[in-house]
Formats: sequence, C-alpha cells, structure tokens
Amino acid sequence: EVQLVETGGGLVQPGKSLKLTCATSGFTFSTAWMHWVRQSPEKRLEWIARIKDKSNNYATDYVESVKGRFTISRDDSKSSVYLQMNSLKEEDTATYYCIYGGLYWGQGVMVTVSS
Amino acid sequence: DIQMTQSPSSMSASLGDRVTITCQASQDIGNNLIWFQQKPGKSPRPMIYYATNLANGVPSRFSGSRSGSDYSLTISSLESEDMADYHCLQYKQYPYTFGAGTKLELK
Repeated sequence: EVQLVETGGGLVQPGKSLKLTCATSGFTFSTAWMHWVRQSPEKRLEWIARIKDKSNNYATDYVESVKGRFTISRDDSKSSVYLQMNSLKEEDTATYYCIYGGLYWGQGVMVTVSS
Repeated sequence: DIQMTQSPSSMSASLGDRVTITCQASQDIGNNLIWFQQKPGKSPRPMIYYATNLANGVPSRFSGSRSGSDYSLTISSLESEDMADYHCLQYKQYPYTFGAGTKLELK
C-alpha cells in the first residue's frame, strides 16, 4: 500500500523558515518523481514543486511564486522528500501535500505564516 | 502557464440528476488531465486520470470526456456521497495548474 506522511508544519512568523518532510512507503521511491502541492484556506490548489529521480539528475521545477525561496530535495535512502521553505510570507499559509504519480496524496500538513 | 478555466464554481443538484463539470484549457494539454474529488478535511481523491480513465475504486457513474480543449467530468446519477468539491489538474506542462474548483451541493 502506498503511503505518504507529511510532517513539519506549524505556525511561523513572516520571513522565517520551515522544512517539511514527506516519508513514503509502498512503492519504489528511488525511481519516483515527487511533487508538492498546496491548498490555500480558500481551497485553491497550487502545484509548487517537482523533483525527478537520480537517472534524471534529480532535476527540479518550481512555480514562479516560490522560486528562489523554496527548495525541494530528496533522500532515496530514507524514501523521503523534503520542502525547505525560506522567507515565508503570509500568502504561503496553506495545507501542503506530498504527491506521487499524481494519484497518491499524503494527508497534508498545515503551515500558517503569521506574526 | 496553462490556464484551466473550470465551471461552474458551484452548483446544486438533486439526487439522481446528471451532473457535468467542465475545465477548459488555454493551450493543448492532450489528455493530460486528472479530476479530483475532495471532501471536507480530506486530501483530494483522484477520480479520472488521462482525461477519460476511471481511477481504482471509483464508481462507474463517474466518467470523463474531452471535446477539443474542453474536458468534462460527468456523474450520471447523483448520489448523496458525491457532494464534494471537484478539481481538475493539467499535467502536460510545468507548472502544472489546477482549475479553481467546483462545489457540488444537494438541492
């Protein structure tokens, strides 16, 4: 059974940093392309980042709104993917989901950016 | 970026009704589209992938279709458990983009 479990969310002040972790199991992580998607309090979904596998040089892509502030990475030995979020803004407040294959989603983790 | 224009934003329907939700793509996305269902407090659940393929465990009253740049999700006979938000996602080109969502309520 495919499982994705996100952790690391919470309340953070604007300008600060937070790192999300997605621990996975049930599939061959090392060859998987992994994604992060977020959902605003208004329920709007936004794809934010993708990381390819080793054979594709761990290439990354980001949505413009997070470029230069967020970094997606992975550790194949731990079957985990990460999202390092720096210079957080109030508009980054959302539930963040880790996704495999477009069809498998984690339960989500809430991030609130507020002073 | 590819824009996905989803309509309607909300709708109310009666049990047994045939319901159709549409996403229009601003550029060619082939059939690279997924429809999701989301209930309160839950993660989005894929219902249709590659525009027309039913995901595992999804009831056969759900179907997906395409006409040019218009992609539709149809529920042939609405049941109470179908009340939810529905989202479309294009995965043809980065950044992947979602429609704005449709809230389906019981009339």
